[in-house]
Amino acid sequence: AQTVTQSQPEMSVQEAETVTLSCTYDTSESNYYLFWYKQPPSRQMILVIRQEAYKQQNATENRFSVNFQKAAKSFSLKISDSQLGDTAMYFCAFMKPYPPTGANSKLTFGKGITLSVRP
Amino acid sequence: DVKVTQSSRYLVKRTGEKVFLECVQDMDHENMFWYRQDPGLGLRLIYFSYDVKMKEKGDIPEGYSVSREKKERFSLILESASTNQTSMYLCASGPFDRGFNQPQHFGDGTRLSIL
Repeated sequence: AQTVTQSQPEMSVQEAETVTLSCTYDTSESNYYLFWYKQPPSRQMILVIRQEAYKQQNATENRFSVNFQKAAKSFSLKISDSQLGDTAMYFCAFMKPYPPTGANSKLTFGKGITLSVRP
Repeated sequence: DVKVTQSSRYLVKRTGEKVFLECVQDMDHENMFWYRQDPGLGLRLIYFSYDVKMKEKGDIPEGYSVSREKKERFSLILESASTNQTSMYLCASGPFDRGFNQPQHFGDGTRLSIL
């Protein structure tokens, strides 16, 4: 079974600065997908960024980028130029690759980290 | 945009009641999921379904059941509600895309209180 660990329960960053959120995972799979989801206060959870394990290049989406270290089973999220709207809970999640059963479409989530951006 | 709609944002029920949480998606997704979110525990999968009338247990299915009679609708049922089922419930859906698993889209959540 897969496990996802987010060891930092809370972080705080000054507006316009850069912050890195940590995530480690454990799996025996060689190919899989990793995701970061964002859940703003009282709002819907949305996908921030995703990474395919067989791709060596780190994924980037505007101010969000990941540092994917497959050998170390580490998947950290870097937020550059932090904005007040980045204040949210962030979840790291793991998904096994598609085989011909829908059972592998489920996500395994970490416990989440609460990020506060200070003005 | 994908729309996942949960029938209630807030719900208060009494111990022993049978509780139904409804979820509807409008993107013809094959996969649908029910999670429970608790502080310090993250999201835990209760049940999921990858086709009509198909269901599989997640990590914490005890005390819950599900129903998927139509592709767009996935219902979570608390057979006899208990206070330890007070929580935020999140529904999600996603396509069954061969060769690449797509991320899930979430509803707004239902905050359920059992008194």
